Amino acid sequence: AQSVAQPEDQVNVAEGNPLTVKCTYSVSGNPYLFWYVQYPNRGLQFLLKYITGDNLVKGSYGFEAEFNKSQTSFHLKKPSALVSDSALYFCAVRDIGYGGATNKLIFGTGTLLAVQP
Amino acid sequence: SAVISQKPSRDICQRGTSLTIQCQVDSQVTMMFWYRQQPGQSLTLIATANQGSEATYESGFVIDKFPISRPNLTFSTLTVSNMSPEDSSIYLCSVEGWGETQYFGPGTRLLVL
Repeated sequence: AQSVAQPEDQVNVAEGNPLTVKCTYSVSGNPYLFWYVQYPNRGLQFLLKYITGDNLVKGSYGFEAEFNKSQTSFHLKKPSALVSDSALYFCAVRDIGYGGATNKLIFGTGTLLAVQP
Repeated sequence: SAVISQKPSRDICQRGTSLTIQCQVDSQVTMMFWYRQQPGQSLTLIATANQGSEATYESGFVIDKFPISRPNLTFSTLTVSNMSPEDSSIYLCSVEGWGETQYFGPGTRLLVL
């Protein structure tokens, strides 16, 4: 079965420092991977995705993620954190059913990013 | 990306009652999805709402508890029936847009007393 793991419940980083939010996945076949962000009392906002192509994917708000097939990872990164980046971040993988990719997203448990001024 | 709205944004309900949540999209979409996010938890798919046919429910979710309607390509409702405190969650609808990406509504925050 497809799954994603976010090993850190919380990541603390000082403003201006680089940040990394970790995600590892387990899939059969080629993964479709996504990052979403949830601000307090808001819905989920799409940040970026990897389906195929370049391993380094650039997304919204200066975020990027690197797809690493050998390590089965898709870590979210930003060179310089902002206090406004503080939010809950979810990694997700597209489920792969018997007939191929389905529309179902399987989410990780989420990582709370806290950026201190 | 599609603009998705949900009503109500939040509600407080008594146990044993039912609440219907509406999801409206500003463009026609084939598939709409309903997710539940329990307090401090991740998102879990409840069902996929297909226009013109019955919704497809995930394991652990049944139509009697979470009936879904999909009368057209821009609208869907999810009803949480015979509510108990365990149903207190955020309920989110989503649609699949360009590039196989799902976009989410703002969510409905439900508290059952």
